[in-house]
Amino acid sequence: EVQLVQSGAEVKKPGESLKISCKGSGYSFTSYWIGWVRQMPGKGLEWMGIIYPGDSDTRYSPSFQGQVTISADKSISTAYLQWSSLKASDTAMYYCAIGGGSYYAPFDYWGQGTLVTVSS
Amino acid sequence: EIVLTQSPGTLSLSPGERATLSCRASQSVSSSYLAWYQQKPGQAPRLLIYGASSRATGIPDRFSGSGSGTDFTLTISRLEPEDFAVYYCQQYGSSRYTFGQGTKLEIK
Repeated sequence: EVQLVQSGAEVKKPGESLKISCKGSGYSFTSYWIGWVRQMPGKGLEWMGIIYPGDSDTRYSPSFQGQVTISADKSISTAYLQWSSLKASDTAMYYCAIGGGSYYAPFDYWGQGTLVTVSS
Repeated sequence: EIVLTQSPGTLSLSPGERATLSCRASQSVSSSYLAWYQQKPGQAPRLLIYGASSRATGIPDRFSGSGSGTDFTLTISRLEPEDFAVYYCQQYGSSRYTFGQGTKLEIK
């Protein structure tokens, strides 16, 4: 059974750093692109970026380029989304998701989401 | 970046009725790489349709997708109570995927 298990909710202050995780199981971790999706409170879905764990090829949405870093550790089948300096506007639910082995694939498995709250 | 515009923003219908949701792209979506997702409160999105018209595994046949190029449609033939949710389209045919802003399907 394919599973994506994300790390727990976080409460941080502006300016702090953060790294959240998404652990994949039940499939070949290095063969599927893993994407990250943001959902701000009461808002829609935003595609942030995607990584291919096999070779760490990473693509970012222009809206998120330079704002976050996506990485993966294939030795422990885990992808990461990190911030070096959080802002209040980073408060959101963050989902990881995978599609097929091709880059051009929809997301058919999703993690449960990680809620990030940034407040002073 | 391809911009997806969904309409209407909110659709109010009764169980048993037919729902038609629209997704328009700012430029042609390559190879009909267009998906539809359903999201209920407190849940992750669920894939319904991919490739513009193929149902994902386990999706009831009352859900259907159509369209190509820049205009796509999700149709729910007879609404069940569990279908009231928010629906998003997504294109995955360009180097950077994008989502539409969503259509809320609410009970009338």
